[in-house]
Amino acid sequence: DSGVTQTPKHLITATGQRVTLRCSPRSGDLSVYWYQQSLDQGLQFLIQYYNGEERAKGNILERFSAQQFPDLHSELNLSSLELGDSALYFCASSVDTGTGNEKLFFGSGTQLSVL
Amino acid sequence: DQQVKQNSPSLSVQEGRISILNCDYTNSMFDYFLWYKKYPAEGPTFLISISSIKDKNEDGRFTVFLNKSAKHLSLHIVPSQPGDSAVYFCAASAINDKLVFGAGTILRVKS
Repeated sequence: DSGVTQTPKHLITATGQRVTLRCSPRSGDLSVYWYQQSLDQGLQFLIQYYNGEERAKGNILERFSAQQFPDLHSELNLSSLELGDSALYFCASSVDTGTGNEKLFFGSGTQLSVL
Repeated sequence: DQQVKQNSPSLSVQEGRISILNCDYTNSMFDYFLWYKKYPAEGPTFLISISSIKDKNEDGRFTVFLNKSAKHLSLHIVPSQPGDSAVYFCAASAINDKLVFGAGTILRVKS
């Protein structure tokens, strides 16, 4: 158990809909990261939050947004869903010591299926 | 633009033998490298890491080798066990930058 909790584990929805994925980081971790894993693809970095503020942005679509709340949990919002958004979405957290050499701890992921 | 490449989608090894997983990178600014292991229905878990000031790091049956001039790293598992069967991701980062992952290699250890 990594200590990172993601809900829900599975999500099935229709094109055009909006969903919210939730993540609770490990106790004490200030950074939260969101990654997307599509079929045969590696983990694609979407976005990072540190202590409530956006720190880094990857290849995140404009239809996607995220935030980190004062209690450090994070939500990833996906809107106007398309078939191609079907993927495994992982949340990870780290202490973020500022050295740059971060070890990430991952949740078990949310499997999103857009039909 | 794939900065981290794992060119072997899968690898099959006999139990007790050595497993060698390879990873190439293109960004010369990367200075920290990690390997993650992933079982089905679970998130990736950290396995071993190496910083660019070293060329080898060992942890039990797992050893990571870094060849900076070739921009290549490898993970050696000796001896391989059936429980090692999983997807292995190579990852790299530059200082204060995001972690970039490869596409993964499926390792199957046959008993």
